[in-house]
Amino acid sequence: GNSVTQMEGPVTLSEEAFLTINCTYTATGYPSLFWYVQYPGEGLQLLLKATKADDKGSNKGFEATYRKETTSFHLEKGSVQVSDSAVYFCALRTRGQNFVFGPGTRLSVLP
Amino acid sequence: DGGITQSPKYLFRKEGQNVTLSCEQNLNHDAMYWYRQDPGQGLRLIYYSQIVNDFQKGDIAEGYSVSREKKESFPLTVTSAQKNPTAFYLCASSLAGDGTDTQYFGPGTRLTVL
Repeated sequence: GNSVTQMEGPVTLSEEAFLTINCTYTATGYPSLFWYVQYPGEGLQLLLKATKADDKGSNKGFEATYRKETTSFHLEKGSVQVSDSAVYFCALRTRGQNFVFGPGTRLSVLP
Repeated sequence: DGGITQSPKYLFRKEGQNVTLSCEQNLNHDAMYWYRQDPGQGLRLIYYSQIVNDFQKGDIAEGYSVSREKKESFPLTVTSAQKNPTAFYLCASSLAGDGTDTQYFGPGTRLTVL
């Protein structure tokens, strides 16, 4: 079956530091890959997505590249801000199957 | 504005009472979903519906019920049979249920059973 593995948190960084949150997956077929962000007390918001190998999703300074050879979709940002503090979920979906979410990684950015 | 609304944001109920959580979307999406999120945990799928008047159980359907009488609405009832109902409940929708379309989420309802 499909599954998503994320690096365990929490991740604590200083403002303007470089961020990487690792995500690897197992899937039958060709998945679409997603990163969602959840701010405290809120629902999930789509951050970025990629639908085929070598695609790069980007939004609000965050990027992730769909790497089929390593089955990975790592989230990166060059300079984090305090406002980026949230929980980040990696997810995938294949045709005919429901979404599969990772457990989430909590990011705290200190001023 | 198009989106998904959930109400209420906070809900308190006594043990043994049924409670219904509302979810409405005006995105013209065919598929709708209910998830449960416990503190520090990921999302677990409760029920989903790909079209009106049809729905399927997810991974943790026991103690919950749903209906899909209208395309826009997918209410979730938490019954007294649910052993540990206190959680954060998230509703989502997508354009189609069997493709790779993005899911969009509502703001959530936090249910506390006293």
